[in-house]
Amino acid sequence: QVQLVESGGGVVQPGRSLRLSCASSGFTFSLYGMHWVRQAPGKGLEWVAVISYDGRDKYYADSVKGRFTISRDNSKNTLDLQMSSLRAEDTAVYYCAKDMYQWAVTSGVDVWGQGTTVTVSS
Amino acid sequence: QSVLTQPPSVSGAPGQRVTISCSGSSSNIGSNTVNWYQQLPGAAPKLLIYTNNQRPSGVPDRFSGSKSGTSASLAISGLQSEDEADYYCAAWDDSRWVFGGGTKLTVL
Repeated sequence: QVQLVESGGGVVQPGRSLRLSCASSGFTFSLYGMHWVRQAPGKGLEWVAVISYDGRDKYYADSVKGRFTISRDNSKNTLDLQMSSLRAEDTAVYYCAKDMYQWAVTSGVDVWGQGTTVTVSS
Repeated sequence: QSVLTQPPSVSGAPGQRVTISCSGSSSNIGSNTVNWYQQLPGAAPKLLIYTNNQRPSGVPDRFSGSKSGTSASLAISGLQSEDEADYYCAAWDDSRWVFGGGTKLTVL
């Protein structure tokens, strides 16, 4: 069964950096695009970024472009999100999620992790 | 302000039918398929409908989706108390994914 487990969340001061990781199992990780989606407290879902199955293509939400970097290691079945210049508005639960179809980034998410919480506060 | 527009809330009595609308534009819904997600309180989202009207295995046929032009809809028939949740539509838009602002369904 497909499993996604996020880690790396915590409390960080504004302007600092944090790296999130997602460990996957139960599917052939190297064949699927992978996403990060976040949800601020009491708010709706906000898509953050997606990376293609081979890591060559990356797309970002305007709100994080230039500050966040998505990456993957297909040899370890892991997905990362490097977050820098963090702001209070980046406070959210961050979900790792798998794209629905092989080799795609545009079909959407079909499986979600349980999320890791990031709090940006001084 | 979300790119996809949903009503903030809908409600219905057990057994009734409700619909949730999702309005977009030619760059998202008008040219791409729509997915719907259900988020129960305190839980991660779950895929409910994909490619406009397809149900993943395990999703009851009480849930159905449709799309016309730049709008999409989610219908839930035979409302049950466990359907009380937040519902989100989503679509690809040029080089990004966009979500609706979410609709809170209350079962009266």
